[in-house]
Amino acid sequence: NAGVMQNPRHLVRRRGQEARLRCSPMKGHSHVYWYRQLPEEGLKFMVYLQKENIIDESGMPKERFSAEFPKEGPSILRIQQVVRGDSAAYFCASSPATTQETQYFGPGTRLLVL
Amino acid sequence: GENVEQHPSTLSVQEGDSAVIKCTYSDSASNYFPWYKQELGKGPQLIIDIRSNVGEKKDQRIAVTLNKTAKHFSLHITETQPEDSAVYFCAASGAAGGSYIPTFGRGTSLIVHP
Repeated sequence: NAGVMQNPRHLVRRRGQEARLRCSPMKGHSHVYWYRQLPEEGLKFMVYLQKENIIDESGMPKERFSAEFPKEGPSILRIQQVVRGDSAAYFCASSPATTQETQYFGPGTRLLVL
Repeated sequence: GENVEQHPSTLSVQEGDSAVIKCTYSDSASNYFPWYKQELGKGPQLIIDIRSNVGEKKDQRIAVTLNKTAKHFSLHITETQPEDSAVYFCAASGAAGGSYIPTFGRGTSLIVHP
């Protein structure tokens, strides 16, 4: 049973470009969460999605950031017009509907903005 | 909202010693407390969790205790090994109307010297 998959594992972008991060949840999981981690810091919640629905986006910046979890395919976190401050590790987690609080994390995408 | 404090930020022990990491939380409605281990360059891995109806849980060399009255919980690792070296994060969730979004501590860097 494959775990949570994320790609790419590393992404380099220049200021002003777009970054697209992908997350495939564990098989059978219908809930996806995105987190951002800065060096020497903990995980900061960004957004919680179920299939085709954004449930909670209270942690996501209002500008330039968006997320989706379509009926088919992976969840995508999109950052438009990236700035150096967006450089961080972005982690996706998934959980089953029966125990939503139990989250399993992917390996993360390290975004570097030059 | 929920606030989780984690101590110490760094813990250095000799192989075979025990290690204890402590966390406090602010919202008495929180009812689920997971612990994650994050190795360098990897995503957080769920290692043990405890719910508010249980005071202690053990899994081989790791154990977690919960004191609901004092609102603190601790991770105990016995007979530490070099491969236990990693950053450990505590989290709390279940507050705010049953929210499954965990609040994380800032992490403890555990170093086990051979």
